[in-house]
Amino acid sequence: EAAVTQSPRNKVAVTGGKVTLSCNQTNNHNNMYWYRQDTGHGLRLIHYSYGAGSTEKGDIPDGYKASRPSQENFSLILELATPSQTSVYFCASGGQGQDTQYFGPGTRLLVL
Amino acid sequence: QQQVRQSSQSLTVWEGETAILNCSYENSAFDYFPWYQQFPGEGPALLIAIRSVSDKKEDGRFTIFFNKREKNLSLHIKDSQPGDSATYFCAAKFYGSSGNKLIFGIGTLLSVKP
Repeated sequence: EAAVTQSPRNKVAVTGGKVTLSCNQTNNHNNMYWYRQDTGHGLRLIHYSYGAGSTEKGDIPDGYKASRPSQENFSLILELATPSQTSVYFCASGGQGQDTQYFGPGTRLLVL
Repeated sequence: QQQVRQSSQSLTVWEGETAILNCSYENSAFDYFPWYQQFPGEGPALLIAIRSVSDKKEDGRFTIFFNKREKNLSLHIKDSQPGDSATYFCAAKFYGSSGNKLIFGIGTLLSVKP
């Protein structure tokens, strides 16, 4: 079973502050993804990566940066957090050439 | 532009009934359609998936019916149980120049009443 962990699980940030969400996977998957989940919008892709050192823009990348320093770790960075970025963020991983994505438990972010 | 549409944001059925969750899509190039199940406080998890070369995929009480010509599919949950209460996401695989990704619908919250 794929194992994807996220930290922190809950975060309160102030407007204009920097927020870093971390994701770790122990399955040696090449592909990793960051989504946000909002009522009425489902899951929307922010950034993704095909391996260490690579990041790609997803469908809603504005206001977010991503970093993939190693196969196991993928971070989402909000340099200047805004209240509109209040959401639940999910990280997922998937093997190269495989269709299934394995999701972490999510991080609930509140920006005041 | 919403490429994957789920017609109901919520659905309530009684225990033992068949729950039917509908989904439609716009891009005829999509060829892989997974359904993900999400319980409160957890991440989504793959439930069942179908490829466009098939019109039906069954796994226990869960069945996907797929209509390529009409660009729609449905998830049938037979003999629904209270433990099936969750949010169900329909998704489609998109093949783009910068890589492959999943496009998700907005989800259907299923409640199964005992």
